[in-house]
Amino acid sequence: EAGVAQSPRYKIIEKRQSVAFWCNPISGHATLYWYQQILGQGPKLLIQFQNNGVVDDSQLPKDRFSAERLKGVDSTLKIQPAKLEDSAVYLCASSLRGSGTKNIQYFGAGTRLSVL
Amino acid sequence: TQLLEQSPQFLSIQEGENLTVYCNSSSVFSSLQWYRQEPGEGPVLLVTVVTGGEVKKLKRLTFQFGDARKDSSLHITAAQPGDTGLYLCAGALSGGTSYGKLTFGQGTILTVHP
Repeated sequence: EAGVAQSPRYKIIEKRQSVAFWCNPISGHATLYWYQQILGQGPKLLIQFQNNGVVDDSQLPKDRFSAERLKGVDSTLKIQPAKLEDSAVYLCASSLRGSGTKNIQYFGAGTRLSVL
Repeated sequence: TQLLEQSPQFLSIQEGENLTVYCNSSSVFSSLQWYRQEPGEGPVLLVTVVTGGEVKKLKRLTFQFGDARKDSSLHITAAQPGDTGLYLCAGALSGGTSYGKLTFGQGTILTVHP
């Protein structure tokens, strides 16, 4: 079974530029998550999709971050414009369903973003 | 303020030693998960604990969920260099709109020297 695919693996940009990350979840997984992991910290949930609808985006900085999952499968996360403090690893995860004690999230390898 | 506090933040030990990592909170969780993350990879689930007082064993790893479901511990016996990595605890809150949402601790970086 293929895992969660993310691209690119690495991205270096200058501040105020735009950047986009792509995620393809495990086939059949209804729920997709984007996390931000700053060096030395645990992942922080940015947004959660159930199929193509947003379940939770309370910690998404909506003035510069946007995400979509138009067909309920793959997803893109965009930052425009980027700030220095956006330097982090952006992790995508997917699960069969979004809740329940047996809900298992499977993570991709992440995209490491460096903003100079 | 971290909802989940992990300690210690860093741990450097010799092969064969035992260690314990703690995960504490003032909140009650419906479940708590432990992940291991290697450099350049995403977190991988090790175990989920659900019942207060529950103990689960995974080879040399022992996981315990506190009676009040507010804290957890991970104990590794006879650590090996292959255990090196970032260990993360993550709690799922009970009820309301946060149901099922995972909140991660800041992680414990474990280095096991041969």
